[in-house]
Amino acid sequence: AQSVSQHNHHVILSEAASLELGCNYSYGGTVNLFWYVQYPGQHLQLLLKYFSGDPLVKGIKGFEAEFIKSKFSFNLRKPSVQWSDTAEYFCAVEPDRGEYGNKLVFGAGTILRVKS
Amino acid sequence: DAGVIQSPRHEVTEMGQEVTLRCKPISGHNSLFWYRQTMMRGLELLIYFNNNVPIDDSGMPEDRFSAKMPNASFSTLKIQPSEPRDSAVYFCASSQRGFEQFFGPGTRLTVL
Repeated sequence: AQSVSQHNHHVILSEAASLELGCNYSYGGTVNLFWYVQYPGQHLQLLLKYFSGDPLVKGIKGFEAEFIKSKFSFNLRKPSVQWSDTAEYFCAVEPDRGEYGNKLVFGAGTILRVKS
Repeated sequence: DAGVIQSPRHEVTEMGQEVTLRCKPISGHNSLFWYRQTMMRGLELLIYFNNNVPIDDSGMPEDRFSAKMPNASFSTLKIQPSEPRDSAVYFCASSQRGFEQFFGPGTRLTVL
């Protein structure tokens, strides 16, 4: 079945540690890719997106992600996390641009807790 | 821009009652999405509209759920009758074709 997989459901890091969250998808063809973040008690906000071009995408708050087409992956990275990065992170794939807008398929989410 | 507006922000109701959730998308966006978020099932797409027309409602759990978009600036999600298992946070999101989705603040629904 077509899906979006996030490798870890819970990640705990100390401040200044490096972060990498995995995301793999099973859709063939051209896809658009997103990472959203949900801070405690808040709505989802876009961190970064990939539509085309340079596969290394930089987003807000020092986050970046690399699209590796051959691995169907779009992993999120940050070299040094802060306590304020504590949140849930969602990978999303837009598999079918087509005629009917942009339905997204979300992964299950990864809860990141950063210890101060 | 005020972003996506949802109301109410919190709703507590009793089982069997009708619940109506409301959403105002960002002006100029032509797609609107309703999601449900729970601990058990994560973020689920319920239904989405393009140019006010429902495109995919395969995520609507059952006939108790219905959604409408009478015009480009307003949508409702109705649950009738509500059940405790409907308790969740319901998000509305909107987008322009070719761009990312912007999410509203959500409605936290509790059905007792």
